[in-house]
Amino acid sequence: EVQLVESGGGLIHPGGSLRLSCAASGFSFQNYDMHWVRQRPGEGLEWVSGIGVGGRTYYPASVKGRFTISRENARDSLALQMNNLGGGDTAIYYCARGPPFALDQWGQGRLVTVSS
Amino acid sequence: QSALTQPASVSGSPGQSITISCTGSNSDVGGHEFVSWYRQHPNKAPQLMIFEVTRRPSGISNRFSGSKSGNTASLTISGLQAEDEADYYCCSFASGGSSLYVFGTGTKVTVL
Repeated sequence: EVQLVESGGGLIHPGGSLRLSCAASGFSFQNYDMHWVRQRPGEGLEWVSGIGVGGRTYYPASVKGRFTISRENARDSLALQMNNLGGGDTAIYYCARGPPFALDQWGQGRLVTVSS
Repeated sequence: QSALTQPASVSGSPGQSITISCTGSNSDVGGHEFVSWYRQHPNKAPQLMIFEVTRRPSGISNRFSGSKSGNTASLTISGLQAEDEADYYCCSFASGGSSLYVFGTGTKVTVL
């Protein structure tokens, strides 16, 4: 059974940093693109980063320069380092598996709250 | 990259068919055959329902079908059931902008 389990998150002050992790199991992690998608309270989904099997990374303008996605294939693990956080980054963050051009497996999500 | 446009809400009675539209541009929906659809029940993670415009993942009911014409993609749910009540999001691969993927604004489906 494919499983994606996020960890990390919680309450952080504006301007702070936080690291999310995603533990993958049940599939050959190294052979898949992986992504992070977030959902602000009461709002829709927003893609926030992706990493290819070869390690190439992708970001939208809204987080580029502040967020860093990384993967460690030996540990079947995905991470998202988030710096200089603001209120607009408050959201549930989902780890998702991406066979080309779709997101077919999702974690349960992890809440990140940015507040003073 | 702007979010794809979906109707805020669509409703139907059990057994009926409904269609949700998803309008983008030549840089996303109209420029690729990589539109996907996701269903999200309250407080749950999204679930892939359709990928590559028309294809269903294993285990997804054939009551769900997708199509595309120009810059607008559509999801049709036939034989509406109570379990179909949820939020639905379209998503497209995007080129020419900073985002790799762009999601739709989301549609709340209500089963009357």
